[in-house]
Amino acid sequence: SAVISQKPSRDICQRGTSLTIQCQVDSQVTMMFWYRQQPGQSLTLIATANQGSEATYESGFVIDKFPISRPNLTFSTLTVSNMSPEDSSIYLCSVESKGRISYEQYFGPGTRLTVT
Amino acid sequence: ELKVEQNPLFLSMQEGKNYTIYCNYSTTSDRLYWYRQDPGKSLESLFVLLSNGAVKQEGRLMASLDTKARLSTLHITAAVHDLSATYFCAVDSYTSGTYKYIFGTGTRLKVLA
Repeated sequence: SAVISQKPSRDICQRGTSLTIQCQVDSQVTMMFWYRQQPGQSLTLIATANQGSEATYESGFVIDKFPISRPNLTFSTLTVSNMSPEDSSIYLCSVESKGRISYEQYFGPGTRLTVT
Repeated sequence: ELKVEQNPLFLSMQEGKNYTIYCNYSTTSDRLYWYRQDPGKSLESLFVLLSNGAVKQEGRLMASLDTKARLSTLHITAAVHDLSATYFCAVDSYTSGTYKYIFGTGTRLKVLA
């Protein structure tokens, strides 16, 4: 299993600014994922971040808008750049780690972002 | 494109009743996951289903997987109010050199006392 923390837990930001979200894991993991979840909606994968390689972005998400760093096996950051109200959402970090019987995903508590 | 669909999207049921949530996915996948999300909270893993015919049970919830039909079910037995939450299924996929998880649309369950 894995225990994940995220900072900040929530923030209110002005449009045009940027916010960096941190994700810390209590064990070394290869695969980390960043998701966005808008109110009442499912999770949308933004990108996969593996240590030692560039993040892989999903369709509709670009590095200039959502730059990601993965400096080591326990830490990653996601930056939401040049924010607009449409970026208001919950951002979730997750990792793949060994569970009781198989590899599975574990999620951080999320960062609730409001852009005004 | 891999798609994961759940139905129903919303479910309101009386305590003590049984119901099933369905999860269909559009391509082959090795593993299927069920998660629970309470309002304002993150996702909690419920089940990992690894093979065709797999069945897992925990309390009043039972999950099954039919990989040939690309279908998983989450059955609720004698529902209680504490089961009110949103339930997501997810599958993993390895395509074009990328490994990722795809989530279903979610089923918002409300159990009425």
